[in-house]
Amino acid sequence: DIQMTQSPSSLPASLGDRVTITCRASQDIGNYLRWFQQKPGKSPRLMIYGATNLAAGVPSRFSGSRSGSDYSLTISSLESEDMADYYCLQSKESPNTFGAGTKLELK
Amino acid sequence: QVQLKESGPGLVQPSQTLSLTCTVSGFSLTSNSVHWVRQPPGKGLEWVGAIWSGGSTDYNSALKSRLSISRDTSKSQVFLKMNSLQTEDTAIYFCNKAFAYWGQGTLVTVSS
Repeated sequence: DIQMTQSPSSLPASLGDRVTITCRASQDIGNYLRWFQQKPGKSPRLMIYGATNLAAGVPSRFSGSRSGSDYSLTISSLESEDMADYYCLQSKESPNTFGAGTKLELK
Repeated sequence: QVQLKESGPGLVQPSQTLSLTCTVSGFSLTSNSVHWVRQPPGKGLEWVGAIWSGGSTDYNSALKSRLSISRDTSKSQVFLKMNSLQTEDTAIYFCNKAFAYWGQGTLVTVSS
């Protein structure tokens, strides 16, 4: 199975900060990488697909990038509504696998 | 519009079989994949399995010996069956359409 190593597990940040979350794939997954946001008691929300494509309705302060086997989600200027858990998912091969998650919280 | 809704028993006894239904609307199961994802309380997301538009299935490696996913296209329903349930299977179970549209999830507690 492909392993997705996500870091950091917790990210304290201030409003207006630029923040980055990273996932590293254990094998080549091309651009078959999605990012999700999940708030307490809610279903996950798709934020990024194809590693770099913004899902419908997602604010432009969110962006996705790739460097080799490292995939990143960046929020350019943190807003209060962005405080949530974030997960990456590879869908290049079955079984699909999630990263362990990052808790983004106010410093 | 696209909607998915999970339904199931809520409480299952250890060693018993879990049966969940995902009822969908706004899209065809013969043209789209449906995935199951679960989340133990306070923990991360885990991909459980999927049924593809052609009816083939894929499963989580750790669960595949206990897991079956099927569908009834005439009823727009996808089914998850997992046997030999243990307390570690306690989780919210979500179904989704290709990860873009998600149901609200259903909590399954495994307890005697």
